[in-house]
Amino acid sequence: SYVLTQPPSVSVAPGQTARITCGGNNIGSKSVHWYQQKPGQAPVLVVYDDSDRPSGIPERFSGSNSGNTATLTISRVEAGDEADYYCQVWDSSSDHQGVFGGGTKLTVL
Amino acid sequence: QVQLQESGPGLVKPSETLSLTCTVSGGSISSYYWSWIRQPPGKGLEWIGYIYYSGSTNYNPSLKSRVTISVDTSKNQFSLKLSSVTAADTAVYYCARCPGIAVAGAYYGMDVWGQGTTVTVSS
Repeated sequence: SYVLTQPPSVSVAPGQTARITCGGNNIGSKSVHWYQQKPGQAPVLVVYDDSDRPSGIPERFSGSNSGNTATLTISRVEAGDEADYYCQVWDSSSDHQGVFGGGTKLTVL
Repeated sequence: QVQLQESGPGLVKPSETLSLTCTVSGGSISSYYWSWIRQPPGKGLEWIGYIYYSGSTNYNPSLKSRVTISVDTSKNQFSLKLSSVTAADTAVYYCARCPGIAVAGAYYGMDVWGQGTTVTVSS
């Protein structure tokens, strides 16, 4: 089955840029979605189809995807961005089964 | 605004069947994919499976032998059954909506989620 690999943690100072990676074999050929999950809350979709934002998600959240790595970029990081972030794909090579990355804890210093 | 609400027992005995229902309000269940996702305590998200409103399903291979997802369009609900549960099935269970998977080549993320319901497997 398809595997998505994320770093367990990323730390960044307020106002700086956070980059969270999601690695997978030829992930650039897939559509990647990103979710933000704060403690005790359900996940929230922040980026879909590699780089599109749902309505209501700040422009500070952006995504890219190429080769074997997809990246979620959060610009001008705020304290409220501290959360777990998960990447996800619908794996076309296995009949579109859902696959999540292991998650990345973003800490705002 | 579409909202999802999970419901079902919070405690299930080992070897029994876990049953949950997700009620869709504020919108129709038609023309969407509906997933179940779970999250064990302190761990990451695990996709369990999805059902299209028409009834076609797709399950996580690691759970496929124990999982059944069904839909009741007349009630705007879909349900999860997970048989032969063990302590490893203890988790928060979420239901979620996806606008499309490989629809005209487009793939969408899960844009609406329920608040989640905690299920504990214990005797």
